[in-house]
Amino acid sequence: DVQLMESGGGWVQPGGSLRLSCAASGYRFGGIAMNWVRLAPGRGPEWLSYISTGSLNIHYADSVKGRFTISRDDVEASLYLQMNNLREEDTAVYFCARGPEDALDLWGQGTMVTVSS
Amino acid sequence: SALTQPPSASGSPGQSVTIPCTGTSDDVGRYKDVSWYQHTPGKAPKLVIFEATRRPSEVPDRFFGSKSANTASLTVSGLQAEDEATYYCSAYAYRGPVIFGGGTKLTVL
Repeated sequence: DVQLMESGGGWVQPGGSLRLSCAASGYRFGGIAMNWVRLAPGRGPEWLSYISTGSLNIHYADSVKGRFTISRDDVEASLYLQMNNLREEDTAVYFCARGPEDALDLWGQGTMVTVSS
Repeated sequence: SALTQPPSASGSPGQSVTIPCTGTSDDVGRYKDVSWYQHTPGKAPKLVIFEATRRPSEVPDRFFGSKSANTASLTVSGLQAEDEATYYCSAYAYRGPVIFGGGTKLTVL
């Protein structure tokens, strides 16, 4: 089956760090760009970061620039999001999603991140 | 700024429902790249429309996308119970990242 599966979410105090992972299967991971998107309670989705094939181009939303780092391992067919200096407003379900930012054609089920003291 | 969607919509089985997504001349009105996603809590969101009017091959033709000026719309015809979900629109913003709407919860009565 073609699928994405996130892991690594959990509870963390403000100022803490988490590393999210996204395992891809069923397709040639290295041939397609990837993204992270989050969905906070009561709000619409927020695009966070994009990484092209070969990691040649990387973009971030202003809300996470300087705090979050996206990376990919094409051998392991995995996408990562290193999140540092977490804030309460980062509490959300985090999704990895395949494709160009404007047409994300495959998503995972998400992993919950809770930032609270 | 986020795109504007009504918080809720509803229809009976077999009926049609249209969900609008209103933006500005700097996003919806500027680019053809409007997408629609279907999401049920606990499941993976699903792309149902891209480039404003195109459907992925696995999406039934009951889902129809359109765009006029600064407003894009998703029409679901022949409503079925399985269509009950929250629908989000997205669009590129001029000199900015992709932005999303706040979501419309579709209830099949």
